[in-house]
Amino acid sequence: ETGVTQTPRHLVMGMTNKKSLKCEQHLGHNAMYWYKQSAKKPLELMFVYNFKEQTENNSVPSRFSPECPNSSHLFLHLHTLQPEDSALYLCASSQDPGQGDQPQHFGDGTRLSIL
Amino acid sequence: GENVEQHPSTLSVQEGDSAVIKCTYSDSASNYFPWYKQELGKRPQLIIDIRSNVGEKKDQRIAVTLNKTAKHFSLHITETQPEDSAVYFCAASRSNYQLIWGAGTKLIIKP
Repeated sequence: ETGVTQTPRHLVMGMTNKKSLKCEQHLGHNAMYWYKQSAKKPLELMFVYNFKEQTENNSVPSRFSPECPNSSHLFLHLHTLQPEDSALYLCASSQDPGQGDQPQHFGDGTRLSIL
Repeated sequence: GENVEQHPSTLSVQEGDSAVIKCTYSDSASNYFPWYKQELGKRPQLIIDIRSNVGEKKDQRIAVTLNKTAKHFSLHITETQPEDSAVYFCAASRSNYQLIWGAGTKLIIKP
């Protein structure tokens, strides 16, 4: 399934760098999500966008800045990250943001390593 | 706050045997319970889901059961095969879009 595409697949950056993660969905969905996946922990929801509007921000540090220019594209801008931010960052989308029982479709993720 | 507990964290079964993974949830208003499978280095993929108006759902070798009273739901995989080896995640939500996730179960199928 290539409905949700994330780039890059791998990213190594220093703590003072600025980089961006990109997500694109070709499913015609209206909601997009950023998750952080760390080893042996539940998926952590970071941000939710419905019809380009941010509706959830789960106490994410300001060094993570999301951007959703349209319903098909989602970015996560990174700056001055910490070593504990090293993780797999997953993007997902779902059809109807108002319905909790909509399956979420994930991308392959970006493996982020902070030096 | 809301949480979902998943057990066991690791499960090793002989090929051909059955595997059962259990989750409990705290929010009694939860009404949607999906299960995702994540193979090594790949994306999580939905394998089965159940809504609170049914108690059991089957799809070939996979089944999910829900006990609303006890706030438990379980994933059952019968006749396990090597390709079933993966990490399985349960989740629960009510009528909003924020799924609450379990920590995952690593399923190992021994040949």
